[in-house]
Amino acid sequence: DTGVSQNPRHKITKRGQNVTFRCDPISEHNRLYWYRQTLGQGPEFLTYFQNEAQLEKSRLLSDRFSAERPKGSFSTLEIQRTEQGDSAMYLCASSLEGGYGYGYTFGSGTRLTVV
Amino acid sequence: AQRVTQPEKLLSVFKGAPVELKCNYSYSGSPELFWYVQYSRQRLQLLLRHISRESIKGFTADLNKGETSFHLKKPFAQEEDSAMYYCALSVNTDKLIFGTGTRLQVFP
Repeated sequence: DTGVSQNPRHKITKRGQNVTFRCDPISEHNRLYWYRQTLGQGPEFLTYFQNEAQLEKSRLLSDRFSAERPKGSFSTLEIQRTEQGDSAMYLCASSLEGGYGYGYTFGSGTRLTVV
Repeated sequence: AQRVTQPEKLLSVFKGAPVELKCNYSYSGSPELFWYVQYSRQRLQLLLRHISRESIKGFTADLNKGETSFHLKKPFAQEEDSAMYYCALSVNTDKLIFGTGTRLQVFP
């Protein structure tokens, strides 16, 4: 597999439940990014990792959100006590360090619906 | 603050007509700009990057620092160009800031 893989593709959950998403980046890419996209908007930056280190988190990432990238390979994004406002497409992307001039490779996303 | 503005939500043209999708940015540093495209039921993918000064699928984009713009152009639109287009700004080579996107519809 040479692409970025995200699981699950869709998740429907009840308000207040916890959810976890997984992202498997391109193996040689050391940077991994999480974005969120709501209807009519472009992708909004949430956080990114270089190898296993989480280097930046957006103000959008409340305390209910946590991301990990153990061993610098796959990453998980967990949302605790989900709210209806968390409903969105969660996108993962990977790149070589800095993505400078190379751009990102995106996954297909996980669509979260909180009911 | 870093910002990318795409003023048009929707751009509709007929096949063979010229296309220009507008993108303006706000950034105090040296900008690195990209265009991403999302075709129906496909993932977001890189279309072109300004540093390579390339033409992809007939599309070109020129960085104009004076006007802080990076408009995407194609002289003759094709039906297969119909898609969602996002302009993106690289900030400190660490992350991308995306615009809200423009949907391009090309009618036969």
